[in-house]
Amino acid sequence: DVKVTQSSRYLVKRTGEKVFLECVQDMDHENMFWYRQDPGLGLRLIYFSYDVKMKEKGDIPEGYSVSREKKERFSLILESASTNQTSMYLCATLRDEPPYEQYFGPGTRLTVT
Amino acid sequence: DAKTTQPNSMESNEEEPVHLPCNHSTISGTDYIHWYRQLPSQGPEYVIHGLTSNVNNRMASLAIAEDRKSSTLILHRATLRDAAVYYCILMKTSGSRLTFGEGTQLTVNP
Repeated sequence: DVKVTQSSRYLVKRTGEKVFLECVQDMDHENMFWYRQDPGLGLRLIYFSYDVKMKEKGDIPEGYSVSREKKERFSLILESASTNQTSMYLCATLRDEPPYEQYFGPGTRLTVT
Repeated sequence: DAKTTQPNSMESNEEEPVHLPCNHSTISGTDYIHWYRQLPSQGPEYVIHGLTSNVNNRMASLAIAEDRKSSTLILHRATLRDAAVYYCILMKTSGSRLTFGEGTQLTVNP
């Protein structure tokens, strides 16, 4: 079974803090993704990575950065957390061959106060 | 990207079959039809996929219209654990990012 793990299930941070969300996968998938999920807005793509040290902006990259130093690890960084970044954050991988299904982690619910 | 349309919500009774519809009238010949579901407080999980033919797996069945402009996810006997948001998504056969819509919230009544 594919396993995607995220460093925390729940996180509370203060405005202005630097926040690191880590994601680790064990299936050697090349593509990894970070989404945020908010009520009424569905899942929105923040960033994705198709290889080590490679990244692409998704639909809502503002206020976020990412790091992929090793194939199995994809980190999302909030440089200076703000209250509008309070959300559920989901990491996912993409199988490298058809039908290209995605595998998601359990999510991190981040609250910024 | 081709879009999908699903009802916002559906309701079913336990142990009855559930048919969740999805319209994708702008589907292209290179698009897979994927279904995911998201249980409360969890990340989405892959359920099933198809290209042209109907498909069955241990979780569900997928019926695809002959013109591929619509599909139906079938849960043969709904359980309380099937209560979730179900997403119908098109994925290019070359592989790319998924675009999630709002999905269908399925409620299963005991």
